Amino acid sequence: GENVGLHLPTLSVQEGDNSIINCAYSNSASDYFIWYKQESGKGPQFIIDIRSNMDKRQGQRVTVLLNKTVKHLSLQIAATQPGDSAVYFCAENRGDYKLSFGAGTTVTVRA
Amino acid sequence: NAGVMQNPRHLVRRRGQEARLRCSPVKGHSHVYWYRQLPEEGLKFMVYLQKENIIDESGMPKERFSAEFPKEGPSILRIQQVVRGDSAAYFCASSPISASGGNTDTQYFGPGTRLTVL
Repeated sequence: GENVGLHLPTLSVQEGDNSIINCAYSNSASDYFIWYKQESGKGPQFIIDIRSNMDKRQGQRVTVLLNKTVKHLSLQIAATQPGDSAVYFCAENRGDYKLSFGAGTTVTVRA
Repeated sequence: NAGVMQNPRHLVRRRGQEARLRCSPVKGHSHVYWYRQLPEEGLKFMVYLQKENIIDESGMPKERFSAEFPKEGPSILRIQQVVRGDSAAYFCASSPISASGGNTDTQYFGPGTRLTVL
């Protein structure tokens, strides 16, 4: 079926370490991917996006990697901080306006 | 610039009552999307609207749910005769350009309205 999913539902990381959150998608027609961060009681906050003609994009402390061959997306967070604790969602856009979200990975940062 | 605004943030209704959720998009954005999020799940698309037009309501239940985005004022998601299964967080997002022909513009989300049906 067509879906966006995450490999692990939870991730515990030591403060200062790097975090890697993975996402798999199955629709090869998807051409735009977004990572959102959702803190408790808040709406999804845009982190970074990438289009299918790219395989890597960097932002401030975050990097998104796209592997179209295996339909895999990852978000890397450098020097993870307590404020990074949240649920992270990958979402795909198949060329229209609908975003399809995965179930989310809960990241917990240990002090 | 103000982001997407939603109100109320929390709404409690008894079964059978009506729920009205409001969304004001980012200033300058004329395209609004509504999503629903059940506990511990991702967001699910409900409806996409432009000013005075419903473009796609394929994700919205056929009965009891309706949405509008008038020329003036916020977008409204209306749920009539609510049932317990309607309890969820409802998020509104907006983007700046038309989705016709394919839209990959970023959608910016509001803080959501958490609906609880007793």
